[in-house]
Amino acid sequence: DIQMTQSPPSLSSSVGDRVTITCRASQNIVTHLNWYQQKPGRAPKIVIYAASTLQSGVPSRFSGGGAGTEFTLSISDVQPEDFATYYCQQSYTTPFTFGPGTKVD
Amino acid sequence: QLQLQESGPGLVKPSETLSLICTVSGGSLTTDSDLWGWIRQPPGKGLEWMKSISQTGVSYDNPSLKSRLSVSIDKSKNQFTLKLTSVSAADTAMYYCVRTADRETLHFDLWGRGTLVTVSS
Repeated sequence: DIQMTQSPPSLSSSVGDRVTITCRASQNIVTHLNWYQQKPGRAPKIVIYAASTLQSGVPSRFSGGGAGTEFTLSISDVQPEDFATYYCQQSYTTPFTFGPGTKVD
Repeated sequence: QLQLQESGPGLVKPSETLSLICTVSGGSLTTDSDLWGWIRQPPGKGLEWMKSISQTGVSYDNPSLKSRLSVSIDKSKNQFTLKLTSVSAADTAMYYCVRTADRETLHFDLWGRGTLVTVSS
C-alpha cells in the first residue's frame, strides 16, 4: 500500500494568515493527489483534485501543488470557515489511501 | 442536485453482518462512468477507503477488506448497499457513501452525511 504522511499534524493560524500543509507519498503518484476538508461532525468535502485543480465552488484562496511524492495545500488569507482538518488522498492505485490529517485551528 | 444518504442499524453485534444502504436522490446512479463506494472513519481517527463499483461491474477493492466486504447496486431503487461480514469492535466507525465521477482523477466528489455504526454486544 502507498503510505501518505502529512505535516504538520496541527497548526494554529489567525484570520488573514497564509498556511501551507505538506503531504508526502511513499512512492511516486504523479499528480494523483486529492485534498479534502472536514469540519467537526461533517462529512469531508473535496477541495483540490489532481494535485492542483480547484473543485468548483471552492474559494480561490485554496491552492495545491506538487508532483511525484511531495505535495502542498495552501490557504491564503485564512477565513474563519477554513478552520478544519485537511486530508490528502492518493488515487494512483488501490487501495486508495489517506493521510492522517492536519488540523488547522 | 444529486445527494447521497446512508441508512442502516446503528448497532451491530460482533460476528454479525453489517448492512448499510446509500440512497441516491436528485439524479440517477446509472451513469456508466460513475463509481459508487464506501469510506469509513473510526471515532476520532482518519479515513479508510473500502470499495468502489460502477453499475457496469467495474470494481476497485481494498485488499484488507475484500474477503468480508461486498457492495452492490440496485438500479430499480437508485440505491447501493454495503455488506460487511464477521464484524468486530474494529469496524466501529462513521460510514460514508461516496461518488467518483471522474475516472481519470478518481477523487470522491460527493459524500453522504454519514451514519455511525457501533459494533458491540
